[in-house]
Amino acid sequence: DAGVTQSPTHLIKTRGQQVTLRCSPISGHKSVSWYQQVLGQGPQFIFQYYEKEERGRGNFPDRFSARQFPNYSSELNVNALLLGDSALYLCASSSEATVYYRGTEAFFGQGTRLTVV
Amino acid sequence: KNEVEQSPQNLTAQEGEFITINCSYSVGISALHWLQQHPGGGIVSLFMLSSGKKKHGRLIATINIQEKHSSLHITASHPRDSAVYICAVNAGGTSYGKLTFGQGTILTVHP
Repeated sequence: DAGVTQSPTHLIKTRGQQVTLRCSPISGHKSVSWYQQVLGQGPQFIFQYYEKEERGRGNFPDRFSARQFPNYSSELNVNALLLGDSALYLCASSSEATVYYRGTEAFFGQGTRLTVV
Repeated sequence: KNEVEQSPQNLTAQEGEFITINCSYSVGISALHWLQQHPGGGIVSLFMLSSGKKKHGRLIATINIQEKHSSLHITASHPRDSAVYICAVNAGGTSYGKLTFGQGTILTVHP
């Protein structure tokens, strides 16, 4: 079975441009989360989608948006890129959103390394 | 102060040594995860636990809910264990799967 797949693996963009990152979750997984990892730091939560609805949003500006499709794949869009958006963007899938008082194991993709110049 | 704190930030060991990485958190949680990240960037889940202790091969993870503390132990460490080890938590309630991460511990094991 394929794991979580992300595309592209690497990307170079210019300040002010827009970028779309893609994630395909493990088959049967309905929850997709996006994280930003700046070099030397732990990942920071951006969004979570479950059953095509946004279920959580981190402390990121409105330049960041996402959506989930009927097949549960997801896209993360970033507009008006800044140098500070350079990071590894990670996608994680799980079989369900966290049910009250119970955690769910998350499976991560290899990430998309975005460089903004 | 971060909600999830790890120590140490950097750890160097000789092959065969017993290693401990610590994680403290300040929020109520439904689960705690230990993850491994290699230089390529991909993250692999090692453990998910909400109480007690789990063991996979040479890796052992423990959690003390009352003290809000978890430890990851590696017995008989090997150079291939060199990686970044990250602690992350699912906060309790309507967190819908959001993970809050520690900053990671960089482990280097020398032959």
